[in-house]
Amino acid sequence: KAGVTQTPRYLIKTRGQQVTLSCSPISGHRSVSWYQQTPGQGLQFLFEYFSETQRNKGNFPGRFSGRQFSNSRSEMNVSTLELGDSALYLCASSLLAGGFYEQYFGPGTRLTVT
Amino acid sequence: SQQGEEDPQALSIQEGENATMNCSYKTSINNLQWYRQNSGRGLVHLILIRSNEREKHSGRLRVTLDTSKKSSSLLITASRAADTASYFCATDDSGAGSYQLTFGKGTKLSVIP
Repeated sequence: KAGVTQTPRYLIKTRGQQVTLSCSPISGHRSVSWYQQTPGQGLQFLFEYFSETQRNKGNFPGRFSGRQFSNSRSEMNVSTLELGDSALYLCASSLLAGGFYEQYFGPGTRLTVT
Repeated sequence: SQQGEEDPQALSIQEGENATMNCSYKTSINNLQWYRQNSGRGLVHLILIRSNEREKHSGRLRVTLDTSKKSSSLLITASRAADTASYFCATDDSGAGSYQLTFGKGTKLSVIP
């Protein structure tokens, strides 16, 4: 079974621009979560989608948004990029298994904002 | 906010030795998970221990959970150079209808051949 895929793997953007990152979950997984990883703040939860609905959102400004499509693929968008948005963005998919979830992570998209 | 806090932040050992990493958390949890991350890549799920379990084994990994102390430990026995990575604990404190993992800052393990 194919793992979680994220595109693109690397991205360089300029301050003020916007960016869209894509995530394809493992087949059959309906929950997709996004995390931001930086050296200073570590891994922080951005949001989670299930069946095209955002169920939970972390403490990030409104510039960070996401959506999920009917095939469970998800995108996240960051508008008006700031230097501090430079990070590794990780997507994870989950399968409900007996009420205890295990998350499977993709390789991440490394975003550099200059 | 970071719930899990790993200790130590960095650990360097010789190949063949055992490595122990600790994790403390603050609130009640449904389960606790350990992940490994090789330099700047995605996270790999290692093991999940439920709040009603005290110990779990998987190959060379042994995880313990003490909910009264709100702490967990990960033991890697007979370490190998390939175990060099960062290790994170993550707590599942999700409420009804949602799922969220809260990660610690991680322990950077270096296994010297």
